[in-house]
Amino acid sequence: DAEITQSPRHKITETGRQVTLACHQTWNHNNMFWYRQDLGHGLRLIHYSYGVQDTNKGEVSDGYSVSRSNTEDLPLTLESAASSQTSVYFCASSESPWNTEAFFGQGTRLTVV
Amino acid sequence: DAKTTQPPSMDCAEGRAANLPCNHSTISGNEYVYWYRQIHSQGPQYIIHGLKNNETNEMASLIITEDRKSSTLILPHATLRDTAVYYCIVRGIYQGAQKLVFGQGTRLTINP
Repeated sequence: DAEITQSPRHKITETGRQVTLACHQTWNHNNMFWYRQDLGHGLRLIHYSYGVQDTNKGEVSDGYSVSRSNTEDLPLTLESAASSQTSVYFCASSESPWNTEAFFGQGTRLTVV
Repeated sequence: DAKTTQPPSMDCAEGRAANLPCNHSTISGNEYVYWYRQIHSQGPQYIIHGLKNNETNEMASLIITEDRKSSTLILPHATLRDTAVYYCIVRGIYQGAQKLVFGQGTRLTINP
């Protein structure tokens, strides 16, 4: 079955380190998204991509970057991890055209110490 | 993107219908209404979506008012497993508007 997977599921890192969170989907979806969710808050969009070589900033993109070199993967990189980036990160994908649902991964819990 | 307004929390008795309202008064003609839910700390789960007609699937029904300024998600026979945060999202149909923007949602608690 097609799926979307995130790795790692849990990570602890130190302030200032570069961290990359992986997101891989096997649906061949064009659209991929990264969200973060902090305790007691809804999901906030970090970056998104509508296809290979396409990336766009979301509402909370500072300190994060993404690259889309193939359809299946959208890795999220924290250039220099900060304690404020401690959060749960969710990746999602959806198919074009518009009238389809988005599928979410199980999340990555990142702790920056 | 049109914004949505939902009550922060609701309670419903097990076995009863849960009716979750959503206001989206600035919705445009090319925007759909989507509903997702998030159970505990899991990834959000798609429930249903619609444009202007009422929709029903195995999980829920979606009632959209004629002027499209509000909608109601109906869980016909709520169970304890329906306890979750429910998000109402307006999503455009054009390539540049396909991103999902989540609000605060409604925390629905199903009571035994």
